[in-house]
Amino acid sequence: SQQGEEDPQALSIQEGENATMNCSYKTSINNLQWYRQNSGRGLVHLILIRSNEREKHSGRLRVTLDTSKKSSSLLITASRAADTASYFCASTSSGTYKYIFGTGTRLKVLA
Amino acid sequence: DTEVTQTPKHLVMGMTNKKSLKCEQHMGHRAMYWYKQKAKKPPELMFVYSYEKLSINESVPSRFSPECPNSSLLNLHLHALQPEDSALYLCASSQEMRGGAFFGQGTRLTVV
Repeated sequence: SQQGEEDPQALSIQEGENATMNCSYKTSINNLQWYRQNSGRGLVHLILIRSNEREKHSGRLRVTLDTSKKSSSLLITASRAADTASYFCASTSSGTYKYIFGTGTRLKVLA
Repeated sequence: DTEVTQTPKHLVMGMTNKKSLKCEQHMGHRAMYWYKQKAKKPPELMFVYSYEKLSINESVPSRFSPECPNSSLLNLHLHALQPEDSALYLCASSQEMRGGAFFGQGTRLTVV
């Protein structure tokens, strides 16, 4: 399977704490994206990082990419109850429109 | 308009029925996708259309038949489905290979 791996599978934290999720992928990539999904509905695009970038910020989100280790991490700072959701990474390989998703992390933020 | 719109939101169909899922985007994106997602699993790619031509079919059974009538519309025709085909079906679009994909809210399909 080309599917990427994410860890942890589940994460439970208190409001105000930071949450870190990790993603590993298998092939050379064009870019890597992170998505949020609430209650089995549509995926919301959070942030995209290109293969030649190492770090990117968007509001409370910080994404890093290490192409030598084929891994990425998503950090959510000062978490809120509304951040409770499943988070997926998705990568695209060079020359293809194929987005391959990681296994996902279920985040629960306790108020 | 940055939305991908999917209809219907919910669909219940019998194993002998024929139904269609619809997807529409007006962002000028040239690639459109169908994904299938089972509960607590990541989305799995089914089909990719690029410039209205089918470019990827991930060995999907023929009871699922995609169609791209124009650059804004994507359909998924369903026929003789099995109960194990019950899932959330997600449509997505993207502008280019290096860009991000935007997803619709999905159609929750139940096959009885």
